[in-house]
Amino acid sequence: EAQVTQNPRYLITVTGKKLTVTCSQNMNHEYMSWYRQDPGLGLRQIYYSMNVEVTDKGDVPEGYKVSRKEKRNFPLILESPSPNQTSLYFCASSLYPALNSPLHFGNGTRLTVT
Amino acid sequence: GENVEQHPSTLSVQEGDSAVIKCTYSDSASNYFPWYKQELGKGPQLIIDIRSNVGEKKDQRIAVTLNKTAKHFSLHITETQPEDSAVYFCAASRDSWGKFQFGAGTQVVVTP
Repeated sequence: EAQVTQNPRYLITVTGKKLTVTCSQNMNHEYMSWYRQDPGLGLRQIYYSMNVEVTDKGDVPEGYKVSRKEKRNFPLILESPSPNQTSLYFCASSLYPALNSPLHFGNGTRLTVT
Repeated sequence: GENVEQHPSTLSVQEGDSAVIKCTYSDSASNYFPWYKQELGKGPQLIIDIRSNVGEKKDQRIAVTLNKTAKHFSLHITETQPEDSAVYFCAASRDSWGKFQFGAGTQVVVTP
């Protein structure tokens, strides 16, 4: 089944403790992206990757890191999480951005930073 | 950069009535406008999209219209059903840009 898999689904951590949220897609998509969803703000793009070893900042990249060492994986790293990073995070992939190629989203990771 | 505004934030409709959600965008270079539906506990799913060379697109009970001059696009759902209850997001992008700007979302509630 074609899908985007995020892990974990739920995560509670403390301020300053490094964490990684994994994202994997099995559709051989070139494009991958991370979003955070907050009430009243919709989905805001954190980072995106057009291909392996190519990553770019979205609208809210501060406090996050990503890497794209292989096509299928795009982990999101929080080196020193803070409470304002408490949010619902979504990973998405696409065969190619726009060009009638839809974004496929994972089911989300709910992160709480205390 | 691009800015997308979406209205209303909540919409309550009677089953069988129509629902309309409107979005405006600021970047005249945007040429791709998808709509996503998000059900509780799940990620958003594409329901329909439109490109800037087309004014209207339909898929069964769902339609999207685009007015490039006014820079707004709308989602129309006819004959609403309880399973249409969800959060709907509009978005704007352009080819090879890599960035998608999403609206803040509309919570649609269809009451029997």
